[in-house]
This record gives sequence, C-alpha cells and structure tokens, in this order.
Amino acid sequence: GENVEQHPSTLSVQEGDSAVIKCTYSDSASNYFPWYKQELGKRPQLIIDIRSNVGEKKDQRIAVTLNKTAKHFSLHITETQPEDSAVYFCATSTDSWGKLQFGAGTQVVVTP
Amino acid sequence: SAVISQKPSRDICQRGTSLTIQCQVDSQVTMMFWYRQQPGQSLTLIATANQGSEATYESGFVIDKFPISRPNLTFSTLTVSNMSPEDSSIYLCSVGTSSYEQYFGPGTRLTVT
Repeated sequence: GENVEQHPSTLSVQEGDSAVIKCTYSDSASNYFPWYKQELGKRPQLIIDIRSNVGEKKDQRIAVTLNKTAKHFSLHITETQPEDSAVYFCATSTDSWGKLQFGAGTQVVVTP
Repeated sequence: SAVISQKPSRDICQRGTSLTIQCQVDSQVTMMFWYRQQPGQSLTLIATANQGSEATYESGFVIDKFPISRPNLTFSTLTVSNMSPEDSSIYLCSVGTSSYEQYFGPGTRLTVT
C-alpha cells in the first residue's frame, strides 16, 4: 500500500520567515495531494490541495508544488505569522472519492 | 462545504464497555469515512462507511471491534466495542466530495480507564 513520509517532524521559524514541509509517496497511482492544518484541540482543516495534472498551486501565503517523477510534494508558507503555528499533515489519494493516506505530521512553531 | 457534527464530543468510559459515536452531515454525501487519531499521532483510516452495505475496513481494523452503520446519506455511527485503554484516541468522521476534497467532523475524544 501507499507509504507517505513527511519531513521535518518539527519546524521552528521566526515570524516573517518561510516554512517548507516535504512529503514523499510510493504509489505512482496517487493523483490527489491535500494539506491539512490542525490546531491544538481542533479538527484537521483542508488548507490547500493539488491534483496530479498540476505542478504548482498558490493561495495567498501558501503554495504547494508537486513533482510526480520524483514522487514528492511540498507545502510552502511565506511570511509566517504566529497563527500559522499548528501541526500540518500531508496526504495522498488514488481516486476522487477515495480514502486518504496521511503523513506523520509536522509541528510548526512560529516565534514572534 | 458540508457542516459535520459528532456526538459525543468527548467521553470517559470504563474498560470492557462500548461507546457509539454519531456523525451527522447537513447534506447528502456519498462517501463517509472514520479515522482514528491517537495522542500526538497522525490520522489512520478505520473504515469507509458505505450506505446500504457493510463498511469496508482497513488492515488492522475489524467489524467486531468497530461496527459501523450508515443508514442513509447524512448519518453514520461508529461503535468502539469492548474498550481497553489502548482505544483512547480521537475518533473523526469525514465526508468526501466528488472533487476529491475531504472534510472532517470535530472529533470525539475518548478516554478509556
């Protein structure tokens, strides 16, 4: 089955700096790659996603890039703010209705 | 996106008992899933709740331990049976859309003593 590796496990950044989280996957049939943000005690929230026919997608300060050949995708957060502090999970899926396989998560801490 | 609610939001249960968690969606959805999130860990899919048929379980999860019902397109239940402290987790339902996106309910925090 699919194996999703996520790095780093923790990331500390100064406010205003950029943060990058990378995930690699094993199943070449994966075609959907969402990112979730989970604040303490809250549900995971979908923040951005990308499909396999797209190489990059941007939404304000966050962007996701996908390299299907190398089987990795990354989340980029620019101009980080304290409210970006949370655990971020990458995930993959192989079909539009399908179940998600999650990475282990990255704890991001943005210090003022 | 759909509004998803879960009941109860949290519970403390005795070892050996069972708890049924409800997931309600404010619109009809085709796909519903149940995940488990152990303390400080990632999310693991338990099963896909199929409307009108038996749930599809992932490796490591069995129907006797986690029976699931899906009587219609807006509601599902997950029962955690014969609980042990190792079942202490957050249990989340999610709904899938035809455009790949998946949204989560607020979760049920279960503590087994």
